[in-house]
Amino acid sequence: AQSVTQLDSQVPVFEEAPVELRCNYSSSVSVYLFWYVQYPNQGLQLLLKYLSGSTLVKGINGFEAEFNKSQTSFHLRKPSVHISDTAEYFCAVSEVTGGFKTIFGAGTRLFVKA
Amino acid sequence: GAVVSQHPSRVICKSGTSVKIECRSLDFQATTMFWYRQFPKQSLMLMATSNEGSKATYEQGVEKDKFLINHASLTLSTLTVTSAHPEDSSFYICSARDRRELGGFGEQYFGPGTRLTVT
Repeated sequence: AQSVTQLDSQVPVFEEAPVELRCNYSSSVSVYLFWYVQYPNQGLQLLLKYLSGSTLVKGINGFEAEFNKSQTSFHLRKPSVHISDTAEYFCAVSEVTGGFKTIFGAGTRLFVKA
Repeated sequence: GAVVSQHPSRVICKSGTSVKIECRSLDFQATTMFWYRQFPKQSLMLMATSNEGSKATYEQGVEKDKFLINHASLTLSTLTVTSAHPEDSSFYICSARDRRELGGFGEQYFGPGTRLTVT
């Protein structure tokens, strides 16, 4: 069975600074990897996904993530954050042969300060 | 883009009553829908996978008789919380997969969630 670990529960950062949200996963088979963002009292919005191919994935709102198979990581980065990026971010994993069941990490609260 | 709606967005009910939450795919047909539960400041926990025309598959620890799931059509799945108790209070989120993407992975499209409060 797969699992996801988000190493930071909260990440405070100043506006226009770079940010990295860390995610590690565990699985015995090939996986698909995702990052979602959730604003208060709302559902999830897909930021980006890795299915195959290039390990550097670019998503919406200027975010990108890099899949590192040897380190089983999929860290999310943004070079310059905005106040509006304040939200909860979830890393998620689905095993390729797992019937598309998706397991979510515990989430990282990104708080952007002025 | 694909849109998933949930109704109601917020509901308050008395302990012992039942509550039905609807999840609809508005502009696509969904072969599979998922129901998640999210406690405050916590992650999403998958409750069950719902396939159109067949019984839902529940995750370990989820009471199937308490959380009734029906996926009667390709655009509608319902979650009924029966004999609700205060501990059932939570944020319930559904997601749906587009049947046109069966050949590949297929993205999950999430609904906006339903806040259930049991008093």
